Amino acid sequence: KAGVTQTPRYLIKTRGQQVTLSCSPISGHRSVSWYQQTPGQGLQFLFEYFSETQRNKGNFPGRFSGRQFSNSRSEMNVSTLELGDSALYLCASSLDSGTSGVQYFGPGTRLLVL
Amino acid sequence: AQSVSQHNHHVILSEAASLELGCNYSYGGTVNLFWYVQYPGQHLQLLLKYFSGDPLVKGIKGFEAEFIKSKFSFNLRKPSVQWSDTAEYFCAVNRYNAGNNRKLIWGLGTSLAVNP
Repeated sequence: KAGVTQTPRYLIKTRGQQVTLSCSPISGHRSVSWYQQTPGQGLQFLFEYFSETQRNKGNFPGRFSGRQFSNSRSEMNVSTLELGDSALYLCASSLDSGTSGVQYFGPGTRLLVL
Repeated sequence: AQSVSQHNHHVILSEAASLELGCNYSYGGTVNLFWYVQYPGQHLQLLLKYFSGDPLVKGIKGFEAEFIKSKFSFNLRKPSVQWSDTAEYFCAVNRYNAGNNRKLIWGLGTSLAVNP
C-alpha cells in the first residue's frame, strides 16, 4: 500500500498570503489529522477529519482551516500567513477516528513564511 | 490542563549504552500510550503502544516501554543502543472517554544522538 502523501513538500510564501496544503491518506483510511511541528513547540494538533466531518480541533486561530473530501483526501488552508506559521505541517491517517492513537504520518510540507 | 512531559530534551550516548527516556502525563483516567520515532529524513512512525494488559510492551528494534499507572509514567528503554537509533522520540497520550472530544497529546520530543 502506498503511504500517506503530502503536497507540496516545500513552500515559500510571504506574510499576508494564503496557502493550501494537501494530504492523501493511506487507501482505506478514513481519518486524517493535521499537525504543526516546530522545534520549540513540538507537535501541535490542528484538527482531525473523519468521514468528511471535523471531529476534533486544536487551539489554533481561525486562520487555520481544513476539509476532507469523499475520497478521504484532505486539505489544510492557512489564510493571512504570519512569520510564526513557518513550520513543518504533518498529516497523519488512520483507519478509524485518529484519536485511537495509531497514526501513519506523511513526510510533511515545510512552509517558510518570509 | 492535560500535558505530556518528556524530561530529557537532548540525550547523547555512545553505542552499546543503555537508554531510558522519561515520559509522564497528567491525566488520571484511562489512557492509551504511545512512543513514536522520527529518524533523520524519515516520517514519524509508531515505535510501540500500550492499550491494556501487560504494562511492559515491546516495540520494534528492541525498544520496550513500561506503563506505571501509579507514577503516570511510560518510560522508553533499550538495553543497548546503536548508531542507527539516532532520532527524535515522541511520547503521546490518548485520553479515552466517550464522545468526540479526544485527541492525542504529544510531548515535546527527545532528540537522541548515538555516537559510534
